[in-house]
Amino acid sequence: AQTVTQSQPEMSVQEAETVTLSCTYDTSENNYYLFWYKQPPSRQMILVIRQEAYKQQNATENRFSVNFQKAAKSFSLKISDSQLGDTAMYFCAFMKHEGYSTLTFGKGTMLLVSP
Amino acid sequence: DAGVIQSPRHEVTEMGQEVTLRCKPISGHNSLFWYRQTMMRGLELLIYFNNNVPIDDSGMPEDRFSAKMPNASFSTLKIQPSEPRDSAVYFCASSFGQGRETQYFGPGTRLLVL
Repeated sequence: AQTVTQSQPEMSVQEAETVTLSCTYDTSENNYYLFWYKQPPSRQMILVIRQEAYKQQNATENRFSVNFQKAAKSFSLKISDSQLGDTAMYFCAFMKHEGYSTLTFGKGTMLLVSP
Repeated sequence: DAGVIQSPRHEVTEMGQEVTLRCKPISGHNSLFWYRQTMMRGLELLIYFNNNVPIDDSGMPEDRFSAKMPNASFSTLKIQPSEPRDSAVYFCASSFGQGRETQYFGPGTRLLVL
C-alpha cells in the first residue's frame, strides 16, 4: 500500500514571498503519478499540478512548480509570488500507473498568506 | 463545460434518517469516485466506479452505506440509517479512463447528522 506524508500541518508566508510545501511518499511502484490539490475555504478541491514519475523534468504551472526527487520519494510544491488567494489547504496525492488506480492523499498543509 | 455536479450542497438530518447524496460526473468521464473528508481521517476513498461498475468498494464503512451508478451520468451515495459519526464532507470526483487520468472534484456535500 502507498502512503503519503505531509509533515507541515500549517505554514505562513507573506504576500509576494516564496514558500515550499513538503511531501514524501512510500511506494514499491516504479511508475506512478503525483498531484497537488488545493482546497480553499470554499472546500472545492482544485488541481494545482500533476507530475508523471517517468518524466525527469519538474512540472510547472505559472507560479507553481514542483521539486520531484524520485530516489528520495519527495515531491515538494513551490509557490512563487504568493497571493492572498493562495490561502488554502494543500494536499499531496499519489496514484499508481498500472491497473485501476485511485488517489491516496496526505493529511494536508494549511497555508496562510498574509498581507 | 460544466464540472462535476453534486447535490445537495448541505444536508442536515437527524440520526436514523436516510440520506441520499447525488453526483453527476463530467460528460465523457467514465470513472467516478466518492470520497469522505473528516478532520480526524482526512480524505478517504469510499468507492470507485468504472464504466458504471463498482471496482473498489473497500472504503465503504459498513452496510449502512451503499452506492449506485445506474448510468454514465448519475451516481448516488446512500446512508441508511444515518449516525452522527457520518457527519463529514462527501466529495464526488470523475476522470477519464481507468482512473489514471486526473480526477476532477465536485463542490462537495456537507452532511451534519444530529
